[in-house]
Amino acid sequence: GAGVSQSPSNKVTEKGKDVELRCDPISGHTALYWYRQSLGQGLEFLIYFQGNSAPDKSGLPSDRFSAERTGGSVSTLTIQRTQQEDSAVYLCASSLLRSMGGEQFFGPGTRLTVL
Amino acid sequence: AQRVTQPEKLLSVFKGAPVELKCNYSYSGSPELFWYVQYSRQRLQLLLRHISRESIKGFTADLNKGETSFHLKKPFAQEEDSAMYYCALSGLANNNDMRFGAGTRLTVKP
Repeated sequence: GAGVSQSPSNKVTEKGKDVELRCDPISGHTALYWYRQSLGQGLEFLIYFQGNSAPDKSGLPSDRFSAERTGGSVSTLTIQRTQQEDSAVYLCASSLLRSMGGEQFFGPGTRLTVL
Repeated sequence: AQRVTQPEKLLSVFKGAPVELKCNYSYSGSPELFWYVQYSRQRLQLLLRHISRESIKGFTADLNKGETSFHLKKPFAQEEDSAMYYCALSGLANNNDMRFGAGTRLTVKP
């Protein structure tokens, strides 16, 4: 089947606007992760979801960031009142087991540019 | 706290030379360590994990609990090894959160 998909692939927005980024995980994967990849900053954990458990939001950089996962499948990452420092590639990953040794499968990412 | 450190942002070697990408971690429990790789214009993907004790594309990594390290090594680098490499840690003590290091960009010169 298809791998993890993300949309849009590119998003250019103006400072102060809200954006929504979408992630479709691999079917059946119970764990879903969001990361931010910035030039020179590496891979920054944002949030993850596991089944019906409360999400771990410890990586969200500010209250402008939020995410939800509907029906245990598709996830949306929302950034409100975007700032230029939000410009980055946002990666989504899913895994079958949120247990030791569970490989994460990554999507192609959404490149966000805030002007 | 769960932390992964990759001290080198950039690493450059010549083709055929040995290469070692360093990774150190801090974790209060039994960790699961991984190396992920991102080739140019490709998705981030798993390269290897320590529990598998396998060699992938000539790369190996040994978990050294005493030194809290998981360095990635290859005896003879190839140009196609040029990529971004991320060390990652997951563990039961922190409910299996996966944390990545900042990454090392490896360039293998001809």
